[in-house]
Amino acid sequence: AQTVTQSQPEMSVQEAETVTLSCTYDTSENNYYLFWYKQPPSRQMILVIRQEAYKQQNATENRFSVNFQKAAKSFSLKISDSQLGDTAMYFCAFMKQVGKGRGTGNNRKLIWGLGTSLAVNP
Amino acid sequence: EAQVTQNPRYLITVTGKKLTVTCSQNMNHEYMSWYRQDPGLGLRQIYYSMNVEVTDKGDVPEGYKVSRKEKRNFPLILESPSPNQTSLYFCASRTGLNTGELFFGEGSRLTVL
Repeated sequence: AQTVTQSQPEMSVQEAETVTLSCTYDTSENNYYLFWYKQPPSRQMILVIRQEAYKQQNATENRFSVNFQKAAKSFSLKISDSQLGDTAMYFCAFMKQVGKGRGTGNNRKLIWGLGTSLAVNP
Repeated sequence: EAQVTQNPRYLITVTGKKLTVTCSQNMNHEYMSWYRQDPGLGLRQIYYSMNVEVTDKGDVPEGYKVSRKEKRNFPLILESPSPNQTSLYFCASRTGLNTGELFFGEGSRLTVL
């Protein structure tokens, strides 16, 4: 079974500091996508960053970057210069292919971790 | 503005009273999906649709129905709600291309008494 594990249920960081959220996954596939989503107290899920497994270079989006270790099946999220607005639940997700669907293109499914609750303290 | 809109945002109902949670997206996305989010269980997929008139079960479809008569709409129907369906529900959509980014609605908090 393919799984996504976030080993840190809760974390906290001081404003302006750097924090790293861990995520490991298990798959036998070679081509896939990995994502970090953010869910602030407002509840709406927002994509933070995406990594394509065939790309060696780690993805970066402003203060957010990932450390993608394909062989180790690790996909950690680093938040630099933490801001109060970064307080949220963070979910790691792995996209797998589940075979041909009846619609257009192949069917792909997101497998979600259980999330890490991050608190940024002033 | 590109968005996924769910209604109602909050609902309290009683066991057995049929209800529908609507979902509409204005991005011309082919793929739409419903999730429920419960403490300690994360996000679980209920149903998904890869295109109009094409729907498939997710991981927890029992007690739910969906339809996809139009590309923009994907309502979630609870024919006979039960207390174990008390949850936070999310609708999401994405293109059919290999990009993967899901756009989520704001969530619907449902309580079944």
